[in-house]
Amino acid sequence: DVKVTQSSRYLVKRTGEKVFLECVQDMDHENMFWYRQDPGLGLRLIYFSYDVKMKEKGDIPEGYSVSREKKERFSLILESASTNQTSMYLCASSSLEGGNEQFFGPGTRLTVL
Amino acid sequence: QKEVEQDPGPLSVPEGAIVSLNCTYSNSAFQYFMWYRQYSRKGPELLMYTYSSGNKEDGRFTAQVDKSSKYISLFIRDSQPSDSATYLCAMTFYNQGGKLIFGQGTELSVKP
Repeated sequence: DVKVTQSSRYLVKRTGEKVFLECVQDMDHENMFWYRQDPGLGLRLIYFSYDVKMKEKGDIPEGYSVSREKKERFSLILESASTNQTSMYLCASSSLEGGNEQFFGPGTRLTVL
Repeated sequence: QKEVEQDPGPLSVPEGAIVSLNCTYSNSAFQYFMWYRQYSRKGPELLMYTYSSGNKEDGRFTAQVDKSSKYISLFIRDSQPSDSATYLCAMTFYNQGGKLIFGQGTELSVKP
């Protein structure tokens, strides 16, 4: 059974803290994605990666960075968390041969105080 | 103007009703179209996938694509309370597992 896991379901951080969100997939997928989901705005792509050590900016990369040192793991980093980064963060993965289906993790609800 | 527009709702219907969910898009280069379903406190899951104009049916669900009008729809027949979820349309240019463009999502509630 395909699986994408995220390190935390709920996270509360203070303004200015460095925040790491981890995502692991067990499907040997080449592509991995980080989205944030906000009411009325839908899913917005932050960063994505087509291969190990490769990354590309999505639509809203400001304030975020990513790391992909291993094929199965894709990390999202908030260098200095701000209150406007309070959101639901969703990780997804997809295969080059699997059409366009993206498999999503359960999400991390991040609150920045 | 967003590339993909979707009415966020919320939409509330009685059990057994026919539900119509819609998205419009502006970029005629989109070739592949998807509907994802997202239950509360879960990640989205692929529900329907199509790449040609016309209808595709899967049980109670029908996906419709009209490329000339840049309009896609998802119909749910005999809606059930278990269909209560947020439905997101998504689309892309290539069939290589790459970047998807999502609509805002429509929150659907089916009342018993």
